[in-house]
Amino acid sequence: ETGVTQTPRHLVMGMTNKKSLKCEQHLGHNAMYWYKQSAKKPLELMFVYSLEERVENNSVPSRFSPECPNSSHLFLHLHTLQPEDSALYLCASSQAPLTGYGTDTQYFGPGTRLTVL
Amino acid sequence: AQKITQTQPGMFVQEKEAVTLDCTYDTSDQSYGLFWYKQPSSGEMIFLIYQGSYDEQNATEGRYSLNFQKARKSANLVISASQLGDSAMYFCAMRPHTGRRALTFGSGTRLQVQP
Repeated sequence: ETGVTQTPRHLVMGMTNKKSLKCEQHLGHNAMYWYKQSAKKPLELMFVYSLEERVENNSVPSRFSPECPNSSHLFLHLHTLQPEDSALYLCASSQAPLTGYGTDTQYFGPGTRLTVL
Repeated sequence: AQKITQTQPGMFVQEKEAVTLDCTYDTSDQSYGLFWYKQPSSGEMIFLIYQGSYDEQNATEGRYSLNFQKARKSANLVISASQLGDSAMYFCAMRPHTGRRALTFGSGTRLQVQP
């Protein structure tokens, strides 16, 4: 596997279900991100992890719970979602410069298309 | 705060012709990066090109070039010799070089290349 992979690619769940999205990066990067892409809205950041520590949280509802067990894996645990949470969830990774300054290009996975019934 | 504006919801171009996708931005940061991504119907965001705010030359990557005009706060993407496989959504994005890590994205432009 190369680049950033995400599983599953498609997920349909009821509002009472619990599911998890998985992201794995094979690029040796030290930062990982979750973005949400809803219809007719720009991509919006959900969470940023750097060296397995959450460094940004964009006021995301608690029904979304991220987990970063190591620098290669990122999970998004979902529970009691709402229909408006239906969206494409994109994971990304980057090699963040340790000094905090630099290009820091983010590379994205193929996304998980989530439908909440 | 940062803001990206893409004013062209959709564009058509003939195969083998060049096309310019517009992007203007607003930021109070002095040092920042500008990015363009391509999103085919499959959903994956593919990184195309990067321009740093202090780079004196416009960035180029193969058929992609970025027309960077700092004073006008514009970072237009130019695709030369369009191919059918270029049909996709294109997003302009930016982030400061220090501090907040998140990319701020525009609303995107849907490009359709016609044979």
